[in-house]
Amino acid sequence: EVQLLESGGGLIQPGGSLRLSCTASGFTFSSYAMSWVRQAPGKGLEWVSTIDGSGDSTYYADSVTGRFTISRDNSKNTLYLHMNSLRAEDTAVYYCAKGLGSLGSCFDYWGQGTLVTVSS
Amino acid sequence: SYELTQPLSVSVAPGQTARITCGGNNIGSKNVHWYQQKPGQAPVLVIYRDANRPSGIPERFSGSNSWNTATLTISGAQAGDEADYYCQVWDSTTGVFGGGTKLTVL
Repeated sequence: EVQLLESGGGLIQPGGSLRLSCTASGFTFSSYAMSWVRQAPGKGLEWVSTIDGSGDSTYYADSVTGRFTISRDNSKNTLYLHMNSLRAEDTAVYYCAKGLGSLGSCFDYWGQGTLVTVSS
Repeated sequence: SYELTQPLSVSVAPGQTARITCGGNNIGSKNVHWYQQKPGQAPVLVIYRDANRPSGIPERFSGSNSWNTATLTISGAQAGDEADYYCQVWDSTTGVFGGGTKLTVL
């Protein structure tokens, strides 16, 4: 059974940094692209970032480019999102999502999400 | 940047057919995926690559995609299908979601 468990969310002041983690199980982690998708309170889904299975290629939404960094440790079956220079508009539930295959495929499994609140 | 347009809301009577559209420039040339999200829950994939159902998704969910509109069809809608539905595509290396459609079954 595929499981994705996010952690690391919380309350952070504007301009601060946070690292989210997503621990995966139930599949060969290194074989699949992984992504972060966020949802601001009461709003729709927004794609944030994707990393390929090897970790060599990364992709970002314009809204987070230069501030967020996606990475993975295939030896630990863990996906990360390093978030710097956080803004109020980054407040959202952050979901970890598994790609059905490589970049460009759908998100076939999702974690339950971790809430990030950026506020002073 | 590429944009996807969905109606804010769709209503359907129980047992009837609901159709949720997703508009985009030449979307027919892209693979469209659909997600269902119920309140307080993570999204669930219901259709991938235009018309494919993941295992465990009921046959009443189907999809199509042509020209500038992709459509999610729910045949014989049930109360349990009430949820927000999102379409999604890739525009080169950028993920794009539609704004979401709230389906009400009443």
